[in-house]
Amino acid sequence: EADIYQTPRYLVIGTGKKITLECSQTMGHDKMYWYQQDPGMELHLIHYSYGVNSTEKGDLSSESTVSRIRTEHFPLTLESARPSHTSQYLCASSDPSSPSNTGELFFGEGSRLTVL
Amino acid sequence: KNQVEQSPQSLIILEGKNCTLQCNYTVSPFSNLRWYKQDTGRGPVSLTIMTFSENTKSNGRYTATLDADTKQSSLHITASQLSDSASYICVVSDRGSTLGRLYFGRGTQLTVWP
Repeated sequence: EADIYQTPRYLVIGTGKKITLECSQTMGHDKMYWYQQDPGMELHLIHYSYGVNSTEKGDLSSESTVSRIRTEHFPLTLESARPSHTSQYLCASSDPSSPSNTGELFFGEGSRLTVL
Repeated sequence: KNQVEQSPQSLIILEGKNCTLQCNYTVSPFSNLRWYKQDTGRGPVSLTIMTFSENTKSNGRYTATLDADTKQSSLHITASQLSDSASYICVVSDRGSTLGRLYFGRGTQLTVWP
């Protein structure tokens, strides 16, 4: 079982509010990711990090920002939430230094955000 | 354009029956293909990984196949159980970087009825 945790699991918030989705992993993985998932659609990469102080934007443009101050922590922040941000956000990590180096992603349980 | 297409989009079967899910991809160059299972309201969990040289691999009641020539993979579930109800996602990795870029299918939503 993967040791990667997301909070909150569910969040309903009004337009214009600032929100932070937390993601922590205890596996010591250097690489972490944020994906956005809408019903019936594929996962879209919105941010990733190779390690501490490294953050990159993913394939899908997002108004969110991320930070990586500690290896185990990769929070995602929306400064001003809008209804278009309503979605499921999945955090994941991987270990590219593993012997198999097959790139398995370990996902958190997800944070379902609803912006009214 | 690198793509991953899954079929069917959804599937309903009775408990105890077998089923096969399909994944076609156009990703090139190819590194590996994974099948993930995603229970409702949870994050995906890896079931199997197929590399270029592998044709078939089993994980309990799940058997994945890969035909690298036709760029097709299948996931066969034997003697289905209610707990198999989930979305099954096919993910293909290319060899563009150390880890490879990942291409996700939209998943097949499987429902197992008692």
